[in-house]
Amino acid sequence: KAGVTQTPRYLIKTRGQQVTLSCSPISGHRSVSWYQQTPGQGLQFLFEYFSETQRNKGNFPGRFSGRQFSNSRSEMNVSTLELGDSALYLCASSLHLSTEQYFGPGTRLTVT
Amino acid sequence: GENVEQHPSTLSVQEGDSAVIKCTYSDSASNYFPWYKQELGKRPQLIIDIRSNVGEKKDQRIAVTLNKTAKHFSLHITETQPEDSAVYFCAARSGAGSYQLTFGKGTKLSVIP
Repeated sequence: KAGVTQTPRYLIKTRGQQVTLSCSPISGHRSVSWYQQTPGQGLQFLFEYFSETQRNKGNFPGRFSGRQFSNSRSEMNVSTLELGDSALYLCASSLHLSTEQYFGPGTRLTVT
Repeated sequence: GENVEQHPSTLSVQEGDSAVIKCTYSDSASNYFPWYKQELGKRPQLIIDIRSNVGEKKDQRIAVTLNKTAKHFSLHITETQPEDSAVYFCAARSGAGSYQLTFGKGTKLSVIP
């Protein structure tokens, strides 16, 4: 089976812009979770989705949003970008909410 | 919410020696504990996991132990090799209605040939 894929792999944006990141889970997996990884804060949970419903959200401002489609693919959106949003954004897929999570390669976002 | 502490933050060992990384968690309802290995520039890779109904699990040179009473779990790597050099993350998942993983800050393991 193909692994989790994320597009784009790299992005450079300017403060104030918005960005959309995409995640395609492993075939058959119905749950997608998103994490932000930075050197200072490590891996921090953003949101988790199952069957097109957001099941849980981490402690991030409302500028961070996401959704999941009927084919389990997921997108996350960050509006009004700030310098501090520069990070590696990782998504992870799992068969169900309670099973093992497998990570994608991440999208490296740089905000200038 | 859940809080996971991981120690040490850096660890250097000679090739062939053992390495141990320890994590503690705060939520007694947590019931799933995975370990991930992340090489430089690559995605975190699940290497082993343990559920709360098991005390120990082994997979070749890697083992994980869980002490639910003390709320800590450890990763043991035996006969370390240079390719074991990476950052290792522990995580905990609460069973109380949320399936999110809460991660430790990571341990950078260097295996010296």
